[in-house]
Amino acid sequence: DAGVTQSPTHLIKTRGQQVTLRCSPKSGHDTVSWYQQALGQGPQFIFQYYEEEERQRGNFPDRFSGHQFPNYSSELNVNALLLGDSALYLCASRFKGGNIQYFGAGTRLSVL
Amino acid sequence: QQPVQSPQAVILREGEDAVINCSSSKALYSVHWYRQKHGEAPVFLMILLKGGEQKGHEKISASFNEKKQQSSLYLTASQLSYSGTYFCGTESPGSSNTGKLIFGQGTTLQVKP
Repeated sequence: DAGVTQSPTHLIKTRGQQVTLRCSPKSGHDTVSWYQQALGQGPQFIFQYYEEEERQRGNFPDRFSGHQFPNYSSELNVNALLLGDSALYLCASRFKGGNIQYFGAGTRLSVL
Repeated sequence: QQPVQSPQAVILREGEDAVINCSSSKALYSVHWYRQKHGEAPVFLMILLKGGEQKGHEKISASFNEKKQQSSLYLTASQLSYSGTYFCGTESPGSSNTGKLIFGQGTTLQVKP
């Protein structure tokens, strides 16, 4: 049973560029959440997708957008990258109505 | 608002016990505990729900004081594998069971031989 998988594992971009990160949820899970984790900090909630729609959003600008596909996989897009966007981006999945979220290992984004 | 964890860091010898606390200024619906090792995914340890329901590992225990808006994670007879950073994630009643977790800043635990 595959867990939550994310790709790529590492990414280097320059300021102003755009980036797309990908997440495949744990088998049987239909809800995907994205978190940003700065170095030495706890994860911060970005948004959550269920039934291909954004259901909840944290305190992140519109530069952060996402998508969920019919197979429940998800993408996180960040436009006009800033140096402060450098972080570990984590994806978590769960059953809708379930309590427990399972995390992937994340994508390490470095913005130069 | 972000929950506050204490202590920020703790160093133990194998076999010693530790307690990690998580305190919120907001009413809580649930508290979720995770452990993250460097470069790895946060691993689910325990969930505590309002009303007393708990789900998690057999060898890890936790408490949830709803009135005080606090939770504590108890690590007994620590092993080297317990090393890592522990995070509590909280849900408020207004977003109960929505999956929107607000995480503390983490507690780094190091277990030495």
